[in-house]
Amino acid sequence: NAGVTQTPKFQVLKTGQSMTLQCAQDMNHEYMSWYRQDPGMGLRLIHYSVGAGITDQGEVPNGYNVSRSTTEDFPLRLLSAAPSQTSVYFCASSLAGTSGIEQFFGPGTRLTVL
Amino acid sequence: AQRVTQPEKLLSVFKGAPVELKCNYSYSGSPELFWYVQYSRQRLQLLLRHISRESIKGFTADLNKGETSFHLKKPFAQEEDSAMYYCALSHGSSNTGKLIFGQGTTLQVKP
Repeated sequence: NAGVTQTPKFQVLKTGQSMTLQCAQDMNHEYMSWYRQDPGMGLRLIHYSVGAGITDQGEVPNGYNVSRSTTEDFPLRLLSAAPSQTSVYFCASSLAGTSGIEQFFGPGTRLTVL
Repeated sequence: AQRVTQPEKLLSVFKGAPVELKCNYSYSGSPELFWYVQYSRQRLQLLLRHISRESIKGFTADLNKGETSFHLKKPFAQEEDSAMYYCALSHGSSNTGKLIFGQGTTLQVKP
């Protein structure tokens, strides 16, 4: 199993450009999430999904879109990149359940917006 | 408001010294607490969860509901423990895979 994979590893964008961060998992997990990691702020939830066709907003959703057409994939789209979106982005997945569920994280995408 | 607070950005200790990484939470309901760790150039991974009452790599953490704390402890730090540690909370009975993270504490274990 590859687990959770993310592409690209690094990306530099200019303000106003759009792009899609890819995330895939091969563990048949129902739940998938996107977080951003910023110094001094920990990880903050952007969007999440509890299954194919179902998505919802997290703590910091503005400027990002997601869709979940398959169980495996959960892409994150930046509509019009801004310098404030410079961050490290992590995708995570987990099984459904109610107790002590472990989340599995991807290796991250480091995004710089100039 | 639901919140996780890790008051120390950096904790620096010598090898063999005891370690305590602090975590306090604010949550109305029955939270589930976790510690995640990120070693250099590795992905974030689960270290331990309160519901399992386990000890992993010598680390333990006890949920104290009265003090709303979930501090991570190890009696004798090792150099390989150097990493970023995150305390995280999930909604227990209505879990949807969402985690609320603290700000993170960098543990530096000096030889």
